[in-house]
Amino acid sequence: ETGVTQTPRHLVMGMTNKKSLKCEQHLGHNAMYWYKQSAKKPLELMFVYSLEERVENNSVPSRFSPECPNSSHLFLHLHTLQPEDSALYLCASSQAATPSGANVLTFGAGSRLTVL
Amino acid sequence: DAKTTQPPSMDCAEGRAANLPCNHSTISGNEYVYWYRQIHSQGPQYIIHGLKNNETNEMASLIITEDRKSSTLILPHATLRDTAVYYCIVRASGTYKYIFGTGTRLKVLA
Repeated sequence: ETGVTQTPRHLVMGMTNKKSLKCEQHLGHNAMYWYKQSAKKPLELMFVYSLEERVENNSVPSRFSPECPNSSHLFLHLHTLQPEDSALYLCASSQAATPSGANVLTFGAGSRLTVL
Repeated sequence: DAKTTQPPSMDCAEGRAANLPCNHSTISGNEYVYWYRQIHSQGPQYIIHGLKNNETNEMASLIITEDRKSSTLILPHATLRDTAVYYCIVRASGTYKYIFGTGTRLKVLA
């Protein structure tokens, strides 16, 4: 596996379910990101982790709970979601542990979430 | 809010150069310009970035004006596979916040 891998690619869940999205990067990067992309809207930054420490939380509701157990893995735990949370959830990584310099993002293919 | 302004859509004939403009009139001295593209419902793909100088790689060229208030992404020989939404992003060194706008939807026509 190379690059940034996201699983599952598609997820359908009810409002009372608990599910998780998984992201794994094989690039040796030190920072990982969650973005949300709703229909016809720009990508919205949700969370950033650097060296497993959360460094950005962009006013995301508590029904989204991120977890970064190591620098290669990032999870987004989902519970009691709303239909408006249906979106494409994108994971990205970047090499630098600190955001200095160019720090290019590499994205995964995304997880398409539908909340019924 | 995004710090960049892009036209919502553009068409380009296959084989011709595609020139995508971006306005970033409030850019600061330590802010980089990045270009990404997103093909339908896939993750964004990095294309190129620059700080002050023009840049070229195997995918594209980036031309940044001398005052750095605008830039142009050039795809030298557009193909149908270049049809995508192209995002111009400005990010300050020292922040993790890459703020995406609505981008330019480029359609390459056969």
